[in-house]
This record gives sequence, C-alpha cells and structure tokens, in this order.
Amino acid sequence: GAVVSQHPSWVICKSGTSVKIECRSLDFQATTMFWYRQFPKQSLMLMATSNEGSKATYEQGVEKDKFLINHASLTLSTLTVTSAHPEDSSFYICSARRQGGTDTQYFGPGTRLTVL
Amino acid sequence: AQTVTQSQPEMSVQEAETVTLSCTYDTSESNYYLFWYKQPPSRQMILVIRQEAYKQQNATENRFSVNFQKAAKSFSLKISDSQLGDTAMYFCAFMKLPGANSKLTFGKGITLSVRP
Repeated sequence: GAVVSQHPSWVICKSGTSVKIECRSLDFQATTMFWYRQFPKQSLMLMATSNEGSKATYEQGVEKDKFLINHASLTLSTLTVTSAHPEDSSFYICSARRQGGTDTQYFGPGTRLTVL
Repeated sequence: AQTVTQSQPEMSVQEAETVTLSCTYDTSESNYYLFWYKQPPSRQMILVIRQEAYKQQNATENRFSVNFQKAAKSFSLKISDSQLGDTAMYFCAFMKLPGANSKLTFGKGITLSVRP
C-alpha cells in the first residue's frame, strides 16, 4: 500500500492562535511532500512543495511566514498556520511521493480548519 | 505553464450506464503524465487512472478507461457500468517530467452524480 495520514482530521481554533497539521507516510518513505488548500466545490490549490531536510518551495502568492512547513524526516511533514484568521479556514490536504518510486502522489484524508 | 481544462461542472448518469468526462490540457512539454483523481464526499483523493504520454495505448483500470489523444491534447475518462459509489468530484491532472519536484496541475473538477 501507500497510505498517508493527516492529524488532526478537523480543528477549530480562535483567531490569532497557531495550528499545526501533521502529514505522515505510514508505509513508505517520502522524499517529497506537497501541501494543498481546497475551498468547497473547488479544485486543489498547491501551496508548497517540501523536501526532506531542506526548505519548502512556496507557490506564488502563498505567505511563507504564515504557512510554515517543516519536513524533518522521510515520513513526516508539518504545516503550521500561524496567527490564524477566519479567512484561513479551509480544507488542507497533503500528498506524498514515494522515495525511488513513480511520480504518483498519494493523498492524505485532509484536515478541516475552522478559525473563529 | 501548463493548464488543464474541465469545461463541464456537473454531470449525471443513470446507474449501470456509461458516462464520459472530458478534459483538455495545454503544454509545450513532450514528456508528461496525466491522471484522473476521484474525490468522494469523504474528500479523500483517490487515484483512478494514470497515463504516460509516451504510451500510445490507452490506460484501463477495470470499469475506468481513458481516451488519450495526444495531438489534440485531450484526455477523457470513460466510466462503464456506473455505480452509486462512483458519485464524486473528478479531477483531471497533469504532471510534467522529469524532476523530483514535478507538480500536479489540476483542472477545476466535475461533479458526477450517479442516479439509482
């Protein structure tokens, strides 16, 4: 298999606080992980690409100081939404590419963030 | 830059019938992959089928098959014997090669409803 998990599956926080979302590849090593954001009934928007042990590459328009990404190991990447505001409320999805495998991305189940 | 176009926002099909979802793309690349992903109400992204551009033979996975027309830059998905569990949002996606950080470019998606 190629299973990717995300934690938490949903989170509610107050405006101004920070929230960390974890993405784990459970049965494979992932050299590259991707973070997406999705609004209801819309497509996935790539936020950033993270490689193990190096700085993430952010897409144009994504604030790197607001969305902190850390890819500390071959099985874990984290996304921290700092000083969250209601407009950050969204569905966040990660995906992982298997080390040495094909270019197929395997997706996590997503995290629903609600900022009050 | 690559673009992926899914011009039909919604489609409906009777259970057991066949439905075709359209997708066109624009690229100057010669080597790339194309994908169809399914996102059911659970919002878990599931890989349906994948096609390598260098392969002339259309990919098939059980009830799912594609019609890949490279010259026309068209990549449609045919679902045969539609089932209620096929109800989902379907995304067409493009990935250029090579590159460790090759990214997926998604279309806007199409909502498919299978009627009992």
